[in-house]
Amino acid sequence: KQEVTQIPAALSVPEGENLVLNCSFTDSAIYNLQWFRQDPGKGLTSLLLIQSSQREQTSGRLNASLDKSSGRSTLYIAASQPGDSATYLCAVNNNDMRFGAGTRLTVKP
Amino acid sequence: DGGITQSPKYLFRKEGQNVTLSCEQNLNHDAMYWYRQDPGQGLRLIYYSQIVNDFQKGDIAEGYSVSREKKESFPLTVTSAQKNPTAFYLCASSPGLNSPLHFGNGTRLTVT
Repeated sequence: KQEVTQIPAALSVPEGENLVLNCSFTDSAIYNLQWFRQDPGKGLTSLLLIQSSQREQTSGRLNASLDKSSGRSTLYIAASQPGDSATYLCAVNNNDMRFGAGTRLTVKP
Repeated sequence: DGGITQSPKYLFRKEGQNVTLSCEQNLNHDAMYWYRQDPGQGLRLIYYSQIVNDFQKGDIAEGYSVSREKKESFPLTVTSAQKNPTAFYLCASSPGLNSPLHFGNGTRLTVT
């Protein structure tokens, strides 16, 4: 059974910092990996999808990388802003989607 | 606008009652999913359906039931057999295995 772990569980940074969120998974036979953002009491918003054949995807200030062989993905956020404060979840697709518990990010003005 | 609609946003029920959560999508997606989210935990898969009239149990299917009679609808029934039903329930859909997952805004169920 796929296990997905996200470290750290919580992160607080001052505005403007670059930061990295980590996601690890135990079964490398995946179709893809997806990063989401969740605001309190809301559903999940898709940020980036990386197919198993890809190494990274970029969208604006976000860059996600995938190292399937080592079972790792990172989400890099450049020049963080208070509006980036949210919980970030990664999900791994092995025919169904398995989620990590998320990293709760706070960006202080 | 295309999207996934979950209703209601908040739902309150007495213990021992069955309750059905609605999930409708107009994205023409084949696959639909139900997840449960508890504080401090990741999303846990309850049921999923890759095609109409077919569905599979996820990790925590006990005490829940689903149907997929139409492509656009995937209702979830929380039965009285579910021991701890109070949670945030999220419905999602996807065009297929290699495609992004899209989520509704969730239903918060409180059972007292």
